Amino acid sequence: DTGVSQNPRHKITKRGQNVTFRCDPISEHNRLYWYRQTLGQGPEFLTYFQNEAQLEKSRLLSDRFSAERPKGSFSTLEIQRTEQGDSAMYLCASFWTSGASNEQFFGPGTRLTVL
Amino acid sequence: AQSVTQLGSHVSVSEGALVLLRCNYSSSVPPYLFWYVQYPNQGLQLLLKYTTGATLVKGINGFEAEFKKSETSFHLTKPSAHMSDAAEYFCAVSANSGYALNFGKGTSLLVTP
Repeated sequence: DTGVSQNPRHKITKRGQNVTFRCDPISEHNRLYWYRQTLGQGPEFLTYFQNEAQLEKSRLLSDRFSAERPKGSFSTLEIQRTEQGDSAMYLCASFWTSGASNEQFFGPGTRLTVL
Repeated sequence: AQSVTQLGSHVSVSEGALVLLRCNYSSSVPPYLFWYVQYPNQGLQLLLKYTTGATLVKGINGFEAEFKKSETSFHLTKPSAHMSDAAEYFCAVSANSGYALNFGKGTSLLVTP
């Protein structure tokens, strides 16, 4: 168990560019979540997957955002035509529905800065 | 819908003093409640959780919280603060196991010598 990993840890981009983040969950975990955390705020839910199926999307997830989990393992979050308001920490978490812990395990996050 | 309110965005305590971080929740179903801690530039770490059963739950690092349905509260306490407890603390609620978490805005705990 190596924990949840996210890459890159930091991303600086110019407004209008596209960016993609990757999350690798704990290996046996079948659920994977994306959250966004802006400065001084708590994390806000964006979307989650069970295996490869995207089960829920927040209204925060605009059309410029897309997430995939093609083989039910790692996931990618893409932001198209980035805006300064997209600057935030993007957190990934994973969860095992057959486990007893009821705990979502969080990765270290990807910090996005849009100039 | 589920939501939490954390009272006090900043709390300062002296080393060795009682820590009390407040969380009130709103939920249309029996809630699952969590406290997470976040150190600078790191992800979130679970301190403790309440799902069902005993209303006083104990977590890591000497923290505990009590679920009070009548007060819709889930306050976090620790008898004696350590310098290493300085961090951001988040209360969260979900409707069921494995559902999306709804977080509060967080409370920044400062521990002074």
